[in-house]
Amino acid sequence: EAGVTQFPSHSVIEKGQTVTLRCDPISGHDNLYWYRRVMGKEIKFLLHFVKESKQDESGMPNNRFLAERTGGTYSTLKVQPAELEDSGVYFCASSQVPPAGTDTQYFGPGTRLTVL
Amino acid sequence: AQSVSQHNHHVILSEAASLELGCNYSYGGTVNLFWYVQYPGQHLQLLLKYFSGDPLVKGIKGFEAEFIKSKFSFNLRKPSVQWSDTAEYFCAVNPMTTDSWGKLQFGAGTQVVVTP
Repeated sequence: EAGVTQFPSHSVIEKGQTVTLRCDPISGHDNLYWYRRVMGKEIKFLLHFVKESKQDESGMPNNRFLAERTGGTYSTLKVQPAELEDSGVYFCASSQVPPAGTDTQYFGPGTRLTVL
Repeated sequence: AQSVSQHNHHVILSEAASLELGCNYSYGGTVNLFWYVQYPGQHLQLLLKYFSGDPLVKGIKGFEAEFIKSKFSFNLRKPSVQWSDTAEYFCAVNPMTTDSWGKLQFGAGTQVVVTP
């Protein structure tokens, strides 16, 4: 079974440009999460999809970030326009809809975003 | 503020030494607890998890962790480390509240280096 995949693995862009990150969850996983780790800091939650619906987007930093999950399969995270402080590693994770209280998330390799 | 604390940012030890990594959290209610590991160049992998039951949980690669509810702790241990255990280790907490379901809160991570 394939794991969570993310594309690209690295992206270097200039301030003001747009970048779109993609995540393909494990097949059959309805839950999809985005997290971000800024250098030297902890991994922080961004948002949570259940199928195509946003369950929780309380961690999204501002309106320059837009996440979508059309059709409930893969998800994209767009940053427009990118700022220097957006640099970091963006992780995607997925999980099955679990019995109550047993959610286990499986992570992708991450996308390292560098904004110059 | 609610948080997850990992006591050490960097640990260096020799092969065959014992390892213990501390993790404390500040959530007062029911929590699910996880340890993830990121080996160099690889993605985050689940080491072990605690949902309920026996507070001593065993994970992959000889790791175990003990949940002590009264101390809000979930420390990770391995009796004898190998060079291949060199990695970054993350403690994560899922507070089981209606507005936090699925949202993992991570500690800052502990970089462990095992010398031959």
